[in-house]
Amino acid sequence: NAGVTQTPKFQVLKTGQSMTLQCAQDMNHNSMYWYRQDPGMGLRLIYYSASEGTTDKGEVPNGYNVSRLNKREFSLRLESAAPSQTSVYFCASSPGPWDNQPQHFGDGTRLSIL
Amino acid sequence: GENVEQHPSTLSVQEGDSAVIKCTYSDSASNYFPWYKQELGKRPQLIIDIRSNVGEKKDQRIAVTLNKTAKHFSLHITETQPEDSAVYFCAAYYNQGGKLIFGQGTELSVKP
Repeated sequence: NAGVTQTPKFQVLKTGQSMTLQCAQDMNHNSMYWYRQDPGMGLRLIYYSASEGTTDKGEVPNGYNVSRLNKREFSLRLESAAPSQTSVYFCASSPGPWDNQPQHFGDGTRLSIL
Repeated sequence: GENVEQHPSTLSVQEGDSAVIKCTYSDSASNYFPWYKQELGKRPQLIIDIRSNVGEKKDQRIAVTLNKTAKHFSLHITETQPEDSAVYFCAAYYNQGGKLIFGQGTELSVKP
């Protein structure tokens, strides 16, 4: 019973490189979310997927793309990484859609862009 | 717009004292308000939540109060212990878009 699993846990990239962060949940949740966490900024929503087949922009979507591969998996892609995207990235899920239920978080991916 | 303000940003208390963290939100349609605790290097974890049909909720040493008229809600921790030291986040659920908006976080330090 893993909950929300994120891979990788750590990554260092060079400016301009691309990469995909993976997220999978085993709780049969409909809704999934990607956040970034920066010091003093709290958790800011990048993109979310209210249900399989839908994705929507959050507060800070620029520079990112997402794919809801199936009900379990929701990936976040950085096409051309920039130093400003150095952050800790959290994936979360909730029963959803359109509910007011707790979100369950993964352990995060610590991403550094040089 | 969608906004959640959280205060204070840092809070230091002596073990056994109480701690209070306050949040305000902008959308009067919000109806769900969770609180998360995040220990250093760990994931945020839900500690308590409240829905708009309730004014107060308690769970052992933790309580949350909600004032919908004033659009603010607060976390109260009594008899604080060193293991309560962490960053605490409030959040408000915005029906339009179906998403949580988080406050900036409060770093709580409980000194033995």
